Amino acid sequence: ETGVTQTPRHLVMGMTNKKSLKCEQHLGHNAMYWYKQSAKKPLELMFVYNFKEQTENNSVPSRFSPECPNSSHLFLHLHTLQPEDSALYLCASSQELAGAIGTQYFGPGTRLLVL
Amino acid sequence: GQNIDQPTEMTATEGAIVQINCTYQTSGFNGLFWYQQHAGEAPTFLSYNVLDGLEEKGRFSSFLSRSKGYSYLLLKELQMKDSASYLCAVMDSNYQLIWGAGTKLIIKP
Repeated sequence: ETGVTQTPRHLVMGMTNKKSLKCEQHLGHNAMYWYKQSAKKPLELMFVYNFKEQTENNSVPSRFSPECPNSSHLFLHLHTLQPEDSALYLCASSQELAGAIGTQYFGPGTRLLVL
Repeated sequence: GQNIDQPTEMTATEGAIVQINCTYQTSGFNGLFWYQQHAGEAPTFLSYNVLDGLEEKGRFSSFLSRSKGYSYLLLKELQMKDSASYLCAVMDSNYQLIWGAGTKLIIKP
């Protein structure tokens, strides 16, 4: 078991729903990340937080809204999603942003299906 | 643009050796990572290379040549549990990880 947990593990939602994904890390890390993983595609970085401050937003649509209340918790709020948003959403954390201590440790992911 | 290339799928036999290649073109280089991902699970960290040469860690070794923009992951004494996808990722000048699409490794008895 890794030190990064995610809930829920599976989520089915309609296009008009609002839901939130939760990530918690127990590793004492300072940086946290949200990724989207679609079948046979590279991992897509969505957001990066370092010491609770957002340092990266990779042109992600506004229907995805991140929140980082502290260095251990990260949320992804979802609203009015599209079917193409169906994917595995992975949370990761790292001690720092750079180098060997930038090694990222992943949670198990949330499998999202948008109907 | 930034690009990471690795084969889509490879097949190997239990007990054998397999080499998974990764070539990259990125804006800057701050290290190369290999991850293992079993189906339906999270990626798990395998290795980190920032200097040229071979890093050995048990049955797994990772090699880097920065001048050639090339790395490989070598898996020895293959076991059935090694069936997984192997992801290559390069940390660019902005300290972002650029990911390859992964190599699905199938191990046959």
